Amino acid sequence: DAKTTQPNSMESNEEEPVHLPCNHSTISGTDYIHWYRQLPSQGPEYVIHGLTSNVNNRMASLAIAEDRKSSTLILHRATLRDAAVYYCILRDTIGGTALIFGKGTTLSVSS
Amino acid sequence: DTGVSQNPRHKITKRGQNVTFRCDPISEHNRLYWYRQTLGQGPEFLTYFQNEAQLEKSRLLSDRFSAERPKGSFSTLEIQRTEQGDSAMYLCACRGSASYTGELFFGEGSRLTVL
Repeated sequence: DAKTTQPNSMESNEEEPVHLPCNHSTISGTDYIHWYRQLPSQGPEYVIHGLTSNVNNRMASLAIAEDRKSSTLILHRATLRDAAVYYCILRDTIGGTALIFGKGTTLSVSS
Repeated sequence: DTGVSQNPRHKITKRGQNVTFRCDPISEHNRLYWYRQTLGQGPEFLTYFQNEAQLEKSRLLSDRFSAERPKGSFSTLEIQRTEQGDSAMYLCACRGSASYTGELFFGEGSRLTVL
């Protein structure tokens, strides 16, 4: 599986936008970009995924670079409940079906 | 609540004992995954079922680990002769979409402590 690189940690203030970067320079044409987050003492939860175009849903937006070698998860207005570990994962459309998690980015949100 | 139920939520055992965890996925979801997560790390994939068939196994799944999904519904993960290194959170996830892009729904996990 192609690998991703994320900062270990980031900090944000409540009600401000947060941009979480992810580098995936070895991404292949068949890799989808998935984002999951894990709140304290809970299992991971799905946030968003995309292939080439930018994606929006009720939780976040995903901006994908034109060359697909990087992407950014955007939380438009951070809340205290957004404090979590955010994982950027590449999922190949061919081969295994499991998501392979890295260490992710720990997001802290201050009031 | 994602609809994925895991039991027990916490298990403390002595080294050498056997433990079993159960996962009840969302009823219509035919794909089921087991992961292990240690402190400060992301979840590590262990094994994958499609219906009752175990289709993928990670090399992390040693001979002491066995997983079953007998009727394609609930699943069990058994660890025999537990070791202190087995202490971790064991997470179950399921997916129902036929598409590989379908999201995974995770349970809250079963935390194992081996003394």
